Amino acid sequence: AQSVTQPDIHITVSEGASLELRCNYSYGATPYLFWYVQSPGQGLQLLLKYFSGDTLVQGIKGFEAEFKRSQSSFNLRKPSVHWSDAAEYFCAVVLEYGNKLVFGAGTILRVKS
Amino acid sequence: NAGVTQTPKFQVLKTGQSMTLQCAQDMNHEYMSWYRQDPGMGLRLIHYSVGAGITDQGEVPNGYNVSRSTTEDFPLRLLSAAPSQTSVYFCASSYLLGDTQYFGPGTRLTVL
Repeated sequence: AQSVTQPDIHITVSEGASLELRCNYSYGATPYLFWYVQSPGQGLQLLLKYFSGDTLVQGIKGFEAEFKRSQSSFNLRKPSVHWSDAAEYFCAVVLEYGNKLVFGAGTILRVKS
Repeated sequence: NAGVTQTPKFQVLKTGQSMTLQCAQDMNHEYMSWYRQDPGMGLRLIHYSVGAGITDQGEVPNGYNVSRSTTEDFPLRLLSAAPSQTSVYFCASSYLLGDTQYFGPGTRLTVL
């Protein structure tokens, strides 16, 4: 079955440390890839997206993600985490010419000072 | 622009009651969708619409109805509420499917 996997349910990092959140998908066709962030009690906000071209994409708030076709991955990174980054992060995928956006289960990021 | 608005923000229903969750957008987006969010399951697509008069089922459509009579509005109807429908519901819209989806603030629904 087509799916999006975020292997880590919770991640805790120290403020100022680097961050990598993992995302893998199981689609065979060319996907469009997204990372969204949800702060507590809020809706979702787009961090970044990949459609085509350069496989390293830059997003808002200092985040970046790298698309690796050979590994079916789209991992989210940030070199130095701030306390305000504590939130839940969702990876999402839609197939090119598809019509449904499929979300991973989410990763909850905790930042310790 | 107000973006995507949802009403109500909170709702408590008794089993068997019906209600409509409202969603509206003022960005002239063709694509609108409804998701439910449950702990550990991410967001799951309930129904979506690619334009006025066109709707289709998502991953978890049972127990929900939708219609799209205008570009702006996409209401979600619960026909006979069940405790399994206790969840947070998000409406989203985008110009095209592959484009950025803009999410509303959500409706927290509890069914007793």
